Parts: sequence; C-alpha cells; structure tokens
Amino acid sequence: GAVVSQHPSWVICKSGTSVKIECRSLDFQATTMFWYRQFPKQSLMLMATSNEGSKATYEQGVEKDKFLINHASLTLSTLTVTSAHPEDSSFYICSARDPWGANYEQYFGPGTRLTVT
Amino acid sequence: GIQVEQSPPDLILQEGANSTLRCNFSDSVNNLQWFHQNPWGQLINLFYIPSGTKQNGRLSATTVATERYSLLYISSSQTTDSGVYFCAVEGYSGGGADGLTFGKGTHLIIQP
Repeated sequence: GAVVSQHPSWVICKSGTSVKIECRSLDFQATTMFWYRQFPKQSLMLMATSNEGSKATYEQGVEKDKFLINHASLTLSTLTVTSAHPEDSSFYICSARDPWGANYEQYFGPGTRLTVT
Repeated sequence: GIQVEQSPPDLILQEGANSTLRCNFSDSVNNLQWFHQNPWGQLINLFYIPSGTKQNGRLSATTVATERYSLLYISSSQTTDSGVYFCAVEGYSGGGADGLTFGKGTHLIIQP
C-alpha cells in the first residue's frame, strides 16, 4: 500500500528558532500533499495544500509567512515553522494522494510532535 | 465548506460489546475515510468508503451517500479498540484536490 513518512517524529526547539518538517511519499509520486495540525484533545485541521512546482494554498487564518511550505519534488514536501513560539506547539501531520490511484483516498504520515519552549 | 458531525462524542463499553459510530456530512462527497488514532497520534486508516459497505474483520462500515451519513460498526470490542475514531470527508467539488475535513471524533473506551 501507499506509504507516507515524516521526519522528525518529534522535535523540541526554543522560542524564536525555525523548525523544518519533511513529508515523503515512499512508493508513489504525489503532485499534491496536505498539511494538518492537531492541538491536544482536538480534531485535525487542514492548514495548507502543497502543490509540486507551485505555491501552496493556505486555509483561512493560517499565516503563510510563519508556515513556509515547499514542494520541490514529486515525493517531498517540507513545512518550516519560522520564528516558532510556544503557541505553535502542536502535532503536525501530512497526507498525500496517489494521483494515479484508483480513488481519492489519502494516505497519512505518522505525524511530528513539535514543542516550543 | 462542508460540515462533519460525529456521534456520540464519548462511548464507554465493556469488552465484547458491539458499537456503532455515526458520521453525518452536509454535502456530497468524493472521499470519506474512517480513522483510528492510536495513543502515539498516528492515524490508522480503517476504511475508504464514499459509498457502499465494506468489512474488515470485526470492523465494518456503511455510507449512504444520498442521505449523507456513514456508520462504523465495531463488533466484539477489545481493549485495543480504545482510542479516538475520526470520520473525514472531501467535498464533491474538490475533485480529489482538496484536503479532508475532519469531524471532532468519537472517544471510545473499552473496559476489561
């Protein structure tokens, strides 16, 4: 089956620093990947859609200058949290769809837990 | 945008019991998926089911697209079934290019 990986699994950083999270599709090429955020005991919220070779599309209320997304290849999208603050601490999960797959199913990575101190 | 409502929000059952989780959505969908989120946060994909019925072991799911709801059935519950179950959909207009909208989840606790 389709596999999506994320790196790192968890990261602790100091306030004001930047953190990069990678999302890779391991056995398929993904023209589109999605980034979600989940706060403790809450549901997942779509942050942005990452399109290979073009600019990402951000959901309303998500700061594009804070959450930089780069989708430079068909198997890799990166999310950079710039100038992180404690309120950015959250669980970040990516997903991807196989554009040549038989349906619209999305495959999710294992997530990255970010703690900003 | 499309709305997703899950019920019940919390469910406590004894081991061996059966359960039914419901997901209502407000518009036509291309995609409906059920997930189980494990204690480490990973989403385990249970079913891709925008319509019809599927079964996988003790779990089965049915989506009635014309009435805009989906049901997840868990039979003979085990303590390892505990966790949060999410329903997520992509509206029909997305054409596969939109992200998923998640419900708030059902928190299931199976007691031994």
